[in-house]
Amino acid sequence: GAGVSQSPSNKVTEKGKDVELRCDPISGHTALYWYRQSLGQGLEFLIYFQGNSAPDKSGLPSDRFSAERTGGSVSTLTIQRTQQEDSAVYLCASSSQGSTDTQYFGPGTRLTVL
Amino acid sequence: DAKTTQPNSMESNEEEPVHLPCNHSTISGTDYIHWYRQLPSQGPEYVIHGLTSNVNNRMASLAIAEDRKSSTLILHRATLRDAAVYYCILSGSSNTGKLIFGQGTTLQVKP
Repeated sequence: GAGVSQSPSNKVTEKGKDVELRCDPISGHTALYWYRQSLGQGLEFLIYFQGNSAPDKSGLPSDRFSAERTGGSVSTLTIQRTQQEDSAVYLCASSSQGSTDTQYFGPGTRLTVL
Repeated sequence: DAKTTQPNSMESNEEEPVHLPCNHSTISGTDYIHWYRQLPSQGPEYVIHGLTSNVNNRMASLAIAEDRKSSTLILHRATLRDAAVYYCILSGSSNTGKLIFGQGTTLQVKP
C-alpha cells in the first residue's frame, strides 16, 4: 500500500519568507510525527499528533514553527519568517496508534533557506 | 527520556554477521527497545523492536540482555545495502512514542 508521502521534496526560500510543508500519512494511522534533520546532525523530534488529543508540541524550536492536522489525516508544518538555521530535511512519520508502535517515515522535504 | 549509547562507527565485510551493540542502563520497565536505520538520502526505516525476549524478523535479530541494560542488533549476513546509520532508541507508553534519536552507529560494509 501507499506509504507516507511528503511535498514538496525540495524547497528553496529566501530568509524571512514563510513556508508550508505537507505530510500525507498512511491511511488509517492515527498518530503523526514531525522530525527534522540538520546537515550532519541527528534527527530531532518536533511535534506529535494523536487522534483528537492536544498535540505534543514540546519539540518545536521556536514560536515561528507551527503545525496542523486537518481531519485526522493530512498535516501541514508551517515555518514563519524563515532563518538560515531552519535549513534541514523535515521528516514526517505515522504509526497506527502511537506510543510504542512502529513509525513509518516519509522521504522528507529538504528545505534550504538562502 | 532514557538515553542510549552506541559506538560511532563499525565496519563489516560483506556476507559476514554484524553485531551492533547498544547500552541503555537507565531503561525503565515499560520502555521498548527499537532499532531504526537510515540509508543515505532516505528517511529512517524500522528494523526491529523488543521488550524483554530476543526477537527475530526477516531483517535482523535483536538480543536483549537479561537485565535489559544492553541489547545487540544482529545482521546475519551483511550486504552492501545494509550500509546505513543504525539507531537504538527507547520508547515507552509514557512518552507518546516520540523517538529520541542519538548519533547512531554508522555501519560500513566492505565488499
